[in-house]
Amino acid sequence: DTAVSQTPKYLVTQMGNDKSIKCEQNLGHDTMYWYKQDSKKFLKIMFSYNNKELIINETVPNRFSPKSPDKAHLNLHINSLELGDSAVYFCASSKRDSKYNEQFFGPGTRLTVL
Amino acid sequence: AQSVAQPEDQVNVAEGNPLTVKCTYSVSGNPYLFWYVQYPNRGLQFLLKYITGDNLVKGSYGFEAEFNKSQTSFHLKKPSALVSDSALYFCAVRASYSGAGSYQLTFGKGTKLSVIP
Repeated sequence: DTAVSQTPKYLVTQMGNDKSIKCEQNLGHDTMYWYKQDSKKFLKIMFSYNNKELIINETVPNRFSPKSPDKAHLNLHINSLELGDSAVYFCASSKRDSKYNEQFFGPGTRLTVL
Repeated sequence: AQSVAQPEDQVNVAEGNPLTVKCTYSVSGNPYLFWYVQYPNRGLQFLLKYITGDNLVKGSYGFEAEFNKSQTSFHLKKPSALVSDSALYFCAVRASYSGAGSYQLTFGKGTKLSVIP
């Protein structure tokens, strides 16, 4: 069984479009995250979300918005896509209150903006 | 602010030789340290962590890491490298204090390990 899953795996779209990436975890974790990995493989936290508390990386444009319908899901909505949004986006989850804070990552979604 | 440095973009090692991937960190308070591995076109996989206790921690696939508080380092090691170890390795740090944002991990830029047959 997949612990953290993301859909779609690949997403190709035009500039200006709005798109969503879905993430689901079946680990019973209470904190979920979105990361962006750029072309140089640098991994940067975008959001973390725990029990309706959203921590936003201040450098993330407000075109990006996470939406959590329940504890097992954290979707990423992106409005007015730009060329610079092209990257691999990873969802992850963990137990927030445990000091053993391994994060479990999804397989990634490769977004290409044309 | 917490930060992680991985000084080597790439490490090349011959199969069967020992390998070391370097990591240094900066945090306020006690650090929680992690190593993750990323194989091509895959997500990150957890390898090992240091929380407290013995400075030498053992993890998956025969990897181990040594925590050195005085040098603020957490180098990843393996006694005998395999070709299948070739991947991108990320060091990450989390501060031990509680508070908003404390559960976030800060990653290094990654080190590409190539094991040569």
